Amino acid sequence: GAVVSQHPSRVICKSGTSVKIECRSLDFQATTMFWYRQFPKKSLMLMATSNEGSKATYEQGVEKDKFLINHASLTLSTLTVTSAHPEDSSFYICSARQGRPRQPQHFGDGTRLSIL
Amino acid sequence: AQKITQTQPGMFVQEKEAVTLDCTYDTSDQSYGLFWYKQPSSGEMIFLIYQGSYDEQNATEGRYSLNFQKARKSANLVISASQLGDSAMYFCAMREENTGNQFYFGTGTSLTVIP
Repeated sequence: GAVVSQHPSRVICKSGTSVKIECRSLDFQATTMFWYRQFPKKSLMLMATSNEGSKATYEQGVEKDKFLINHASLTLSTLTVTSAHPEDSSFYICSARQGRPRQPQHFGDGTRLSIL
Repeated sequence: AQKITQTQPGMFVQEKEAVTLDCTYDTSDQSYGLFWYKQPSSGEMIFLIYQGSYDEQNATEGRYSLNFQKARKSANLVISASQLGDSAMYFCAMREENTGNQFYFGTGTSLTVIP
């Protein structure tokens, strides 16, 4: 079945470091990729939607200069957390979809980011 | 093996009727949580309901209830009295609490409510 690979699965780094997270669709072309951030309890916040070849659409309240998203090809999207601070520590998860809305969506396994 | 399986890519239900969205999961952990999210066309994920593996009673939240059958490893979502606004994608997810809170999602079920 379709697989989305998210890498790395866990990052621990110092404050001020920039961290890049990759999301790859391994056996299908992902026209749309989503980036989510998990908050305590059960909330999963949509950060941005990226479509291949165009700029990401950021949700309100998400700093685009802080969270750089690039969807350079139909199989790869990256999220770069620039100058990360402890409050950026969270679980980030990507998902990918081929085609229109309401099509199956495939999720990566997530990245646990810890900023010291 | 898939951790979360949603076998219904698309479902239709008549307005005001109840509908069940299927979800089965695979884990060897004893402690885990099961979630359902609703995703409208905007892509946001709206949390609907949560069931912990040790919860003895099925979770309910308004019109949403979770039919938790632990031995069968199923966590079906039941939506009662469907409304047109319920039309969306629905995702089942699991978090294994003993393995670093890893989060796994199914591929979703597209629900369409017919007037």
